[in-house]
Amino acid sequence: AQKITQTQPGMFVQEKEAVTLDCTYDTSDPSYGLFWYKQPSSGEMIFLIYQGSYDQQNATEGRYSLNFQKARKSANLVISASQLGDSAMYFCAMRGQGTGKLIFGQGTTLQVKP
Amino acid sequence: KAGVTQTPRYLIKTRGQQVTLSCSPISGHRSVSWYQQTPGQGLQFLFEYFSETQRNKGNFPGRFSGRQFSNSRSEMNVSTLELGDSALYLCASSLDARDGELFFGEGSRLTVL
Repeated sequence: AQKITQTQPGMFVQEKEAVTLDCTYDTSDPSYGLFWYKQPSSGEMIFLIYQGSYDQQNATEGRYSLNFQKARKSANLVISASQLGDSAMYFCAMRGQGTGKLIFGQGTTLQVKP
Repeated sequence: KAGVTQTPRYLIKTRGQQVTLSCSPISGHRSVSWYQQTPGQGLQFLFEYFSETQRNKGNFPGRFSGRQFSNSRSEMNVSTLELGDSALYLCASSLDARDGELFFGEGSRLTVL
């Protein structure tokens, strides 16, 4: 069975510092995709970054980067230079091979302090 | 480029009623997926449509149904509403949900009284 685990229910970070949100996954599929989404209190699920399991390089999108360690089955999100607007819930998700279904973790609440 | 549009954003229903939620995907996207988000169960997959065909369905009772039209717009329907159906319903749009990125709308927040 596929599973996503986010072990940090809540995190604090000082403005302008970097923060890492943890995500581990479990799958037996040889091919899969990993996603990170941000959900502010408004409820919208904002796409941040995507990593395919066969991608050789770690994905980056502006201040977001995904630290993909395939052997450890981890896909941690790194946010550099945190901003107050980064305060939100962050979800890690996985899509297995040949399916359009995303499996989500329980989420991590990030609070950025001024 | 317009994003994913979900309507209505908020709605209140009573037990036993039915509800229809709508999702307009990003232009050119042929795949629409639906998810239910509740505090207790988190985010759970409902269904996935591609070119008007349901390709995958989550573990929900038959009261939950959906469809996709030729213009890729999708609707989901919940009949005989129960209190536990109160949730945020999110729609995701993609070129193909089985590959690449998925983009979500703002959601439809349903309250069942």
